[in-house]
Amino acid sequence: QSVLTQPPSVSAAPGQKVTISCSASSSNIGNNYVSWYQQLPGTAPKLLIYDNNKRPSGIPDRFSGSKSGTSATLGITGLQTGDEADYYCGTWDSSLSAYVFGTGTKVTVL
Amino acid sequence: QLQLQESGPGLVKPSETLSLTCTVSGGSISNRDYYWGWIRQPPGKGLEWIGTIYYSGSTYYNVSLKSRVTISVDMSKNQFSLKLSSVTAADTAVYYCARQLNSWAYHYFYMDVWGKGTTVTVSS
Repeated sequence: QSVLTQPPSVSAAPGQKVTISCSASSSNIGNNYVSWYQQLPGTAPKLLIYDNNKRPSGIPDRFSGSKSGTSATLGITGLQTGDEADYYCGTWDSSLSAYVFGTGTKVTVL
Repeated sequence: QLQLQESGPGLVKPSETLSLTCTVSGGSISNRDYYWGWIRQPPGKGLEWIGTIYYSGSTYYNVSLKSRVTISVDMSKNQFSLKLSSVTAADTAVYYCARQLNSWAYHYFYMDVWGKGTTVTVSS
């Protein structure tokens, strides 16, 4: 029952680009910064993007984030097989007084 | 380098209380810049935030779990803990602890360091 909606899956060939959308409302994305997490198979999530578009140290610039209104987008360029993972957006929902995660998107490298 | 490690029973009986501890190493849990949270992931499903605590003891809980959840902090041991009462099979999940940066004034909220997770199965 997540309030942040993501496409279930996206795919592309190696070297190509994918984008993952995260749609919500003014009570969450509309008024708060968005973060993105990468979860490789069988591992814990890892922070990929914070404050809409900032990358923690060690995250390559192939990963980018943006936000417009009540939607956010994660972009991955130069797709690699090692990017196959589940990706989640997240933010605070002021109406729920809760941290909310997106529904998750599985990235497949063809 | 900050590390978080979850610990606790891997099997809990229905109607009993699930108890987990997160041990923080490489940093102090009383650092005023950070909050500490629990997140879970049922098998094959997405992430669900359970709740968050500040070193002062202030807590924030997922409203859907609030009646059953208690998160506490033990600064002397550099640990924080999760208790979830009256568990059912629906509480079977991998449970993660994480360090959080939260600012209601500047509107940023994210989890920058995660534990590896611990699997808890609810079954008789």
